[in-house]
Amino acid sequence: KAGVTQTPRYLIKTRGQQVTLSCSPISGHRSVSWYQQTPGQGLQFLFEYFSETQRNKGNFPGRFSGRQFSNSRSEMNVSTLELGDSALYLCASSLEDPSTDTQYFGPGTRLTVL
Amino acid sequence: GESVGLHLPTLSVQEGDNSIINCAYSNSASDYFIWYKQESGKGPQFIIDIRSNMDKRQGQRVTVLLNKTVKHLSLQIAATQPGDSAVYFCVPNQAGTALIFGKGTTLSVSS
Repeated sequence: KAGVTQTPRYLIKTRGQQVTLSCSPISGHRSVSWYQQTPGQGLQFLFEYFSETQRNKGNFPGRFSGRQFSNSRSEMNVSTLELGDSALYLCASSLEDPSTDTQYFGPGTRLTVL
Repeated sequence: GESVGLHLPTLSVQEGDNSIINCAYSNSASDYFIWYKQESGKGPQFIIDIRSNMDKRQGQRVTVLLNKTVKHLSLQIAATQPGDSAVYFCVPNQAGTALIFGKGTTLSVSS
């Protein structure tokens, strides 16, 4: 069974631009979560989607948004990029609920904002 | 809300030694606990989990111990190998809430 895939793996953007990251969960997994990882803040929860609905949200500004499609694939968008948005963005999938089912992570997208 | 504290941000061991990574959590309602390993350049990888109705669970070379009374769990790695060098995250879960990862413990294994 294929694991969680994320595209692109690396991305360089400039301040003010916007970016869209993509995540394909493990087949059969319906929950997708997104995380931001930085050296200073560690691994922080962004949001979680289940059945095309955002079910949980972390403490990030509205510039960070996401969506999930009917095939469980998910995208996250960051608008008006800031230097501080440079980070590794991780996507994880689980069967139904990441708080009770094991969550499997993708390799991440490394975003650099110049 | 939940907070997770790993007792040591870094741990250095010799190859072949046993490693113990400790973790304290704050939410007594946490009922499912997962350990993840993250190697450089990769996403976190599931190692082992334990539910609150257990106090010990063993995997291949790893053992997790849970003490709900003092809200503490530990990950023991037997015969540590250079490939075990990574950042380890302890993640306590409560149904319906977001996962809190914290900053992890960096394990360095020297040969």
